[in-house]
Amino acid sequence: DAKTTQPPSMDCAEGRAANLPCNHSTISGNEYVYWYRQIHSQGPQYIIHGLKNNETNEMASLIITEDRKSSTLILPHATLRDTAVYYCIVTDNYGQNFVFGPGTRLSVLP
Amino acid sequence: KAGVTQTPRYLIKTRGQQVTLSCSPISGHRSVSWYQQTPGQGLQFLFEYFSETQRNKGNFPGRFSGRQFSNSRSEMNVSTLELGDSALYLCASSLDLAGAQTQYFGPGTRLLVL
Repeated sequence: DAKTTQPPSMDCAEGRAANLPCNHSTISGNEYVYWYRQIHSQGPQYIIHGLKNNETNEMASLIITEDRKSSTLILPHATLRDTAVYYCIVTDNYGQNFVFGPGTRLSVLP
Repeated sequence: KAGVTQTPRYLIKTRGQQVTLSCSPISGHRSVSWYQQTPGQGLQFLFEYFSETQRNKGNFPGRFSGRQFSNSRSEMNVSTLELGDSALYLCASSLDLAGAQTQYFGPGTRLLVL
């Protein structure tokens, strides 16, 4: 079973920030938080990952709470092309596979 | 760098047949994982190969098998196809063993079993 809980769906207005929450209350110290997205039956696309510190790249920012029990993916200026299913995954360093939950279906509205 | 490629992209088979899908990882990547995606079950892990050896396996019947070649290319095979095997089959590659290594996914092979 997935170690994460995400809202099934969210809407966001185009041009606004999209904040996607993820709960991972059972995360252990050596586990990373990964975010992927999947645009309509294409292969999942890597977005960002982190362990303890907040991370930012050209696509998004990842905010991890101090107790590491939850995180938020931030798309700073959502566009229509960001409409996708977003997956939050918790995984460790020991060659374990990614376990995908149902994710959050983000709809960016014009 | 070229991304992960999968062939064929679409496939139609009938029940009882077998099928082989192919995956070419990103150059330099040594780990290849396979996933099955269906509307009902979502994305599920099938198996992972590293250095031509299966390192992890998901909860799928023995009809699902795979292998990896010395150039890291991988194939998966499904024998005695069932209607429920209709799915999008995704391959992902990573530099080393999966887990905390970032996995990069291919476009998938969409299999329809009639």
